[in-house]
Amino acid sequence: DTGVSQDPRHKITKRGQNVTFRCDPISEHNRLYWYRQTLGQGPEFLTYFQNEAQLEKSRLLSDRFSAERPKGSFSTLEIQRTEQGDSAMYLCASSSTVQETQYFGPGTRLLVL
Amino acid sequence: ELKVEQNPLFLSMQEGKNYTIYCNYSTTSDRLYWYRQDPGKSLESLFVLLSNGAVKQEGRLMASLDTKARLSTLHITAAVHDLSATYFCAVVRGKLTFGTGTRLTIIP
Repeated sequence: DTGVSQDPRHKITKRGQNVTFRCDPISEHNRLYWYRQTLGQGPEFLTYFQNEAQLEKSRLLSDRFSAERPKGSFSTLEIQRTEQGDSAMYLCASSSTVQETQYFGPGTRLLVL
Repeated sequence: ELKVEQNPLFLSMQEGKNYTIYCNYSTTSDRLYWYRQDPGKSLESLFVLLSNGAVKQEGRLMASLDTKARLSTLHITAAVHDLSATYFCAVVRGKLTFGTGTRLTIIP
């Protein structure tokens, strides 16, 4: 399977704990995006990378959130000191600069108790 | 700030009927996408529309773009149950900004 993959698919954590999610993009794609989707809403942009450079961050991305893409391949999204309001589906997408359609992974569903 | 609005938000329709979902956006954009999302699943790309007057068709779905009116439509012809899903339009202005989604339910 050469699609976007995300791990874990589900995460339940207690408030105040740190969590980290991983995204593996389609191998030839140099752009990688993170979105957050809450129930009944469309995805909201969080951040994106071109290769290893983080080029844009949303104002939604508080200082408790950090994302990395150290070698320009997979990416991690870490949430520190989780809050109940962080409960959502976290979606990763990738694209190439040539064909800019973003292809989405299956998402990581986070529940903060 | 770019705003993307879809209507209706909810749509129940009988099999065999035709209907249209509308997507309005507030500022000029490079391109517009339509995505489908099944419950609890991720998003599947349906169409990308690149220029004024663009029309794309796949099976019972047809999407069009009017950049002057800042309007895209997704037309469903002779709906079947398998088309039940939530449909999102998304507009590119640097990043993707999604509409609120239209939850479509096809009733046998």
